[in-house]
Amino acid sequence: EDQVTQSPEALRLQEGESSSLNCSYTVSGLRGLFWYRQDPGKGPEFLFTLYSAGEEKEKERLKATLTKKESFLHITAPKPEDSATYLCAVRGGTSYGKLTFGQGTILTVHP
Amino acid sequence: ETGVTQTPRHLVMGMTNKKSLKCEQHLGHNAMYWYKQSAKKPLELMFVYSLEERVENNSVPSRFSPECPNSSHLFLHLHTLQPEDSALYLCASSQDPASGGAVTQYFGPGTRLTVL
Repeated sequence: EDQVTQSPEALRLQEGESSSLNCSYTVSGLRGLFWYRQDPGKGPEFLFTLYSAGEEKEKERLKATLTKKESFLHITAPKPEDSATYLCAVRGGTSYGKLTFGQGTILTVHP
Repeated sequence: ETGVTQTPRHLVMGMTNKKSLKCEQHLGHNAMYWYKQSAKKPLELMFVYSLEERVENNSVPSRFSPECPNSSHLFLHLHTLQPEDSALYLCASSQDPASGGAVTQYFGPGTRLTVL
């Protein structure tokens, strides 16, 4: 059974204070690892898809990296508008389209 | 309209009511999904439809009944719900998962359901 664990559960940063969110996973035949951002009362917004270990992707202040056991979402010089819940999910080789999600990391960036 | 839309955005219903949630995708995808998001719990997959056929039912109680009349529309019919069914119900769409690769899913804004 695929499993995803995200840490920390909550993270408070000052504006400009860089940090990283962790996503540890176990999966049978990784098809893809996904990062989403979710604002309160809204649906998840797609950020990145990573396919294989060593891959990196960037978007504005966010950079996602992938190893065989975990993924990191690095946030460089965050701003208050980066405050949200960040979700990690995996798709394994044995599931038809099913994504297994972690519980998310609640990020708060103070001005 | 763009992306994935869901109606209604908020719904309050009694345990004896029957209601339906609607989802529409404007992305040209051919797979659609229903997820449940409860407080303090990860998103849980409920149903997967690909090419209008149900391909996965993730042990969901029969009081939830999905319907996919075409590749752009998905419904979730609700009846005799329980208070513990209160949650955010999210619809997503993607290309056919059988096409291989990661196949990114795009989500709608969700319907906040409260069962009294």
